[in-house]
Amino acid sequence: EVQLVESGGDLVQPGGSLRLSCAASGFTFSAHWMHWVRQVPGKGLFWVARINLDGTTTNYADSVKGRFTISRDNARDTLYLQMNNLRGEDTALYYCVRESGWFDPWGQGTLVTVSS
Amino acid sequence: EFVLTQSPATLSLSPGDRATLSCRASQSISSYLAWYQQKPGQAPRLLIYDASKRATDIPARFSGSGSGTDFTLTISNVEPEDFAVYYCHQRNNWYSFGQGTKLEIK
Repeated sequence: EVQLVESGGDLVQPGGSLRLSCAASGFTFSAHWMHWVRQVPGKGLFWVARINLDGTTTNYADSVKGRFTISRDNARDTLYLQMNNLRGEDTALYYCVRESGWFDPWGQGTLVTVSS
Repeated sequence: EFVLTQSPATLSLSPGDRATLSCRASQSISSYLAWYQQKPGQAPRLLIYDASKRATDIPARFSGSGSGTDFTLTISNVEPEDFAVYYCHQRNNWYSFGQGTKLEIK
């Protein structure tokens, strides 16, 4: 069974940092581009970042560029999102998503709350 | 700025009704559109990709159509488990989502 399990979400103060992880199983992790998508509870979906197969190409939404870093460890089948200089508007549920042409499947998400 | 606009925001129907959800792109995206279903407390699930292709294990009552800027998700005979929020998603111009249509029980 294909599975994505996120972890690392927490309550953090504005200006703080957090690293999210996503453990993949049930498929060949290194054969898929991977993404992070976030959702403010009760609101819509917002694409955050993507990474190519070997981690050499990364892209970001403008609102997180320069503050967030997506990376992967194919030996550990794990995706990461390093988030620095966090702001209140980064508060959201963060989903790890496999790309197979489209976004499928999605993990269950990990909640990041930025508040003092 | 590229925008996906979904309508209506809320659709109130009874089980057995036909549901028609719309997604309009601010510029042509060919057929690079997908539809996702999200139930409360759950992650989104891929229903339709490439505008009209059903994803694995998706019932035949779900169908998608359209190309260019206007797209439609149709649920031919709404079942009780179909009441949820539906999002359209494009990947022609980076990635973006519509704001969602909530299908609720009338």
